[in-house]
Amino acid sequence: GAGVSQSPSNKVTEKGKDVELRCDPISGHTALYWYRQSLGQGLEFLIYFQGNSAPDKSGLPSDRFSAERTGGSVSTLTIQRTQQEDSAVYLCASSSSPYGYTFGSGTRLTVV
Amino acid sequence: QQQVKQSPQSLIVQKGGISIINCAYENTAFDYFPWYQQFPGKGPALLIAIRPDVSEKKEGRFTISFNKSAKQFSLHIMDSQPGDSATYFCAASKADSWGKLQFGAGTQVVVTP
Repeated sequence: GAGVSQSPSNKVTEKGKDVELRCDPISGHTALYWYRQSLGQGLEFLIYFQGNSAPDKSGLPSDRFSAERTGGSVSTLTIQRTQQEDSAVYLCASSSSPYGYTFGSGTRLTVV
Repeated sequence: QQQVKQSPQSLIVQKGGISIINCAYENTAFDYFPWYQQFPGKGPALLIAIRPDVSEKKEGRFTISFNKSAKQFSLHIMDSQPGDSATYFCAASKADSWGKLQFGAGTQVVVTP
């Protein structure tokens, strides 16, 4: 596609439920990143995929968070047993070089 | 621990004025310093970037100044326009991490007519 596509754009879920967030990167981009942006805050790195290498999971805040990337393309970020502090905008980005990402518009997650 | 510190948190400037945002970093291994612009409801978009082998880079009304010895870099927006009103993030990365960016906390810029 022309850009990075994320779905859903908005998600409201009850505390304790699991959610899945989807990212479709730009075709041909080998690197894919997930970031979290809390209200009025900067961007917090979560996880990074590069080609067929093992993902860099160093930013995942707890074992309730996981992500996978299938076929080197689409990625899904899963949050299990959601908590209110998980409420944030989850941003996905992809890249074809070590320098500069293209971000999607994000998924706004609200846990009630 | 935030690896990139950004200031100010917010900034109000009149149309035609200069907006200046500053960032400082600790990790001397960083070798790529981009600035991103984010409008409400959108993801951040790359605005301008610099490598440490130059001290300044200019693209239109946007200029990055880089001080390697002080481990600081800044964004100057000349002739600020209302359309520049957005949140600006500085970031840094190192080549061996293949672009995993460490972001500053962001600066909300408001340009008044």
